[in-house]
Amino acid sequence: NAGVTQTPKFQVLKTGQSMTLQCAQDMNHNSMYWYRQDPGMGLRLIYYSASEGTTDKGEVPNGYNVSRLNKREFSLRLESAAPSQTSVYFCASTQENRENTEAFFGQGTRLTVV
Amino acid sequence: SQKIEQNSEALNIQEGKTATLTCNYTNYSPAYLQWYRQDPGRGPVFLLLIRENEKEKRKERLKVTFDTTLKQSLFHITASQPADSATYLCALTGGGGGNKLTFGTGTQLKVEL
Repeated sequence: NAGVTQTPKFQVLKTGQSMTLQCAQDMNHNSMYWYRQDPGMGLRLIYYSASEGTTDKGEVPNGYNVSRLNKREFSLRLESAAPSQTSVYFCASTQENRENTEAFFGQGTRLTVV
Repeated sequence: SQKIEQNSEALNIQEGKTATLTCNYTNYSPAYLQWYRQDPGRGPVFLLLIRENEKEKRKERLKVTFDTTLKQSLFHITASQPADSATYLCALTGGGGGNKLTFGTGTQLKVEL
């Protein structure tokens, strides 16, 4: 049972390039999340998806787009990367559409934009 | 706006002592509060969940309290060990925020021999 899998683990982009971060979970969870983590800022929610076919903005959505391809997969796209998007990105999922369940996290994607 | 505050300064304690970490929140009425542990280079791992109508919850050496009047949660690790050294994050969900999971900034704990 792999849990939450993120790809890639590391990425370096030039300013203006685009890329998609992939996330997949095999726990049949309904809700999925994308966070970014910066020193001293904690985990900040970028986008989340309460169920297949729905997405909502979080605290810091600007410069990002998401796609909930199916129940398993939730991708995060940077259309035109900026140095301010240098961060560690985490994908997470929770069981069904409930508030009282734990989140499972991927191992993170460390992105550097130069 | 909703705000979750954790002590940004690292907490250094001696092995065997009790570590106490604080999570305060404002402009929020969460239904659930969770605590996570994060080791360097890894994603957070769930530890405990406490509901708004629960005052205290325990799991092995861990104890969490939840005071909705003070808008505060305390996280205790008793008989701390060097292996407990990590960053600990609190997270809120439910209530006005729906099922969106919002995290605090985390507190780094260092347990010394």
